[in-house]
Amino acid sequence: ETGVTQTPRHLVMGMTNKKSLKCEQHLGHNAMYWYKQSAKKPLELMFVYSLEERVENNSVPSRFSPECPNSSHLFLHLHTLQPEDSALYLCASSRGLGETQYFGPGTRLLVL
Amino acid sequence: KNEVEQSPQNLTAQEGEFITINCSYSVGISALHWLQQHPGGGIVSLFMLSSGKKKHGRLIATINIQEKHSSLHITASHPRDSAVYICAVSASTGNQFYFGTGTSLTVIP
Repeated sequence: ETGVTQTPRHLVMGMTNKKSLKCEQHLGHNAMYWYKQSAKKPLELMFVYSLEERVENNSVPSRFSPECPNSSHLFLHLHTLQPEDSALYLCASSRGLGETQYFGPGTRLLVL
Repeated sequence: KNEVEQSPQNLTAQEGEFITINCSYSVGISALHWLQQHPGGGIVSLFMLSSGKKKHGRLIATINIQEKHSSLHITASHPRDSAVYICAVSASTGNQFYFGTGTSLTVIP
């Protein structure tokens, strides 16, 4: 148990669906991250928030939309995804940018 | 070419063996991280280091900043060490993290 929770743990959605992934950290951290992990590929950093401000957006398609309403919660809103977006989506938090990250268990997403 | 390269990609060892996983990187860094990912996806941060050596139980991590190289050692390996070990670096400029593709370790009883 790392202190970072993610829901749902598994999600199957059609290409026309809208869904949201939720991440919550109970560590008092100031930075939160979304990562995508596809099979046989390195972890890809998608978004970084520090003190609820987005500080990094790595050319992620607009069908992924992050939201950070407060320092404990991070959402990833999904809309009209493609089958190639099927992956494990991991959330992490750290005390500050560049510091040790604590990862959630991930949401395994399948887009049909 | 990936900014972080790990070797080997796959490693099988007998229980009790000494294991070394290597990581090389090509960017300026503020810190290097070793992560452990178990089947099912959960990732645990093992070490964050910017110089020298750190030890935690049977795990030892070293880094050589001049050579841009780090190693993760596992002494007296055990089947429960079976996991994917990922090397990651925090770039010294910007907020980028770069990840290696991971080393899949299987320790056989």
